[in-house]
Amino acid sequence: DSGVTQTPKHLITATGQRVTLRCSPRSGDLSVYWYQQSLDQGLQFLIQYYNGEERAKGNILERFSAQQFPDLHSELNLSSLELGDSALYFCASSAAGGTEAFFGQGTRLTVV
Amino acid sequence: GQQVMQIPQYQHVQEGEDFTTYCNSSTTLSNIQWYKQRPGGHPVFLIQLVKSGEVKKQKRLTFQFGEAKKNSSLHITATQTTDVGTYFCAFLSGGGADGLTFGKGTHLIIQP
Repeated sequence: DSGVTQTPKHLITATGQRVTLRCSPRSGDLSVYWYQQSLDQGLQFLIQYYNGEERAKGNILERFSAQQFPDLHSELNLSSLELGDSALYFCASSAAGGTEAFFGQGTRLTVV
Repeated sequence: GQQVMQIPQYQHVQEGEDFTTYCNSSTTLSNIQWYKQRPGGHPVFLIQLVKSGEVKKQKRLTFQFGEAKKNSSLHITATQTTDVGTYFCAFLSGGGADGLTFGKGTHLIIQP
C-alpha cells in the first residue's frame, strides 16, 4: 500500500460527459501529480500541484483541469469526454525535496 | 522535449534465466529512475541513479547509469515468477518542479 488513495477505482461514462477523479496523497506529502496511462501513449505526465498551487504542466488537454485543496487532496476534472480519453489515470505524491513518486491504485476510465 | 527509449518492448524468459532491459536517451540525463508495474497494478519505485557510471544492487536486481549519463540498464539475475511485470525507466527533467517522463516500458513474461 503506497498510502495514496484514489477514487473511484472504475468509472464508465458516455462521450460528452464530465467526470471528477479524486486523490488523497500520502500523509505529509505536498506534491501531487496526475498521470494518464494508455496503450498507445504509455504513461504520460499531466499536471503537478504543490501545496495548493499549480507547479508544472505536462501533456494535459484543455478539456482537463485539476486543483489541490487546502487539505492537500486533489481532483482531476475531465470534460467533454471522448472515446480516446479512456485510460488509467494515476495520482502520485512525493515528499518535499523528495524524488520518489508514490502512485495510487489508479482510476480506470471507460468512455462509451 | 527529452525522451527515453526502452528496449526490448517484450521479453520472454524461462524462470531462472537472466533478464536485462535498456533505457537510452539522445541527451544527457541528470537522473534516471526505475519503476515496476505488476499486471493490474500501479508503478512502484525501485531506485534512482544520479551519478555517471553509478551501479546499484538490490538483491537480484542490478541498476546501471552510463558514463555519459545517456543510458541505463536494469538486470535481473535468475528471474522468478514474482518478477513478472513491466519495468519502466523515467527521469525528472528539471528542478523537481515537473513530473516524470517515462519510457514505454519492457514487459517481462516468465515461463515456468
